[in-house]
Amino acid sequence: DVKVTQSSRYLVKRTGEKVFLECVQDMDHENMFWYRQDPGLGLRLIYFSYDVKMKEKGDIPEGYSVSREKKERFSLILESASTNQTSMYLCASRVAGVGYEQYFGPGTRLTVT
Amino acid sequence: AQKVTQAQTEISVVEKEDVTLDCVYETRDTTYYLFWYKQPPSGELVFLIRRNSFDEQNEISGRYSWNFQKSTSSFNFTITASQVVDSAVYFCALSTFKTSYDKVIFGPGTSLSVIP
Repeated sequence: DVKVTQSSRYLVKRTGEKVFLECVQDMDHENMFWYRQDPGLGLRLIYFSYDVKMKEKGDIPEGYSVSREKKERFSLILESASTNQTSMYLCASRVAGVGYEQYFGPGTRLTVT
Repeated sequence: AQKVTQAQTEISVVEKEDVTLDCVYETRDTTYYLFWYKQPPSGELVFLIRRNSFDEQNEISGRYSWNFQKSTSSFNFTITASQVVDSAVYFCALSTFKTSYDKVIFGPGTSLSVIP
């Protein structure tokens, strides 16, 4: 069965902290994504990785960085967390190629105080 | 510019009623894909259907059906005889091509509540 897992369901951090969100998929997918979901805005792409060590900026990369050292793992890093980064973060993966569906993790609800 | 609009923010229906969720998209590309995803209260988005721009045939899967009309740039989703388990947020998404990968744009979502 297809599986995408995220390291935490809920996370509370303080302003200025460095935050790591981890995502692991077991489907041998080449492509992985990080989105943030906010009410009324839908899902917005932060970063996309099309293969190991390869990444592309999405629509809202400011304040975030990513790391993909292994095919199954895609990390989102908030270098210095701010309150406007309080949100739901969703990770997804899919096979390489255009038009394929994405498989999502359960999400991490991050609160920055 | 590419855009996906889901004008209905929230919908409430009584169980067994039919309900249609609207999706209107904008793109200048001639080749693209459209998707519907369901996000139940547990939070994990689940893929429901994919349609490419060359296939306007409508699709039915059990109580779910989809109506794709290029002339109106719409890809609407109908649930027949709704059930409480259909309560979720539904997202429509558009995938268009960039040079080496596609860009997926999600609509804002429609929150459906099915009341017993």
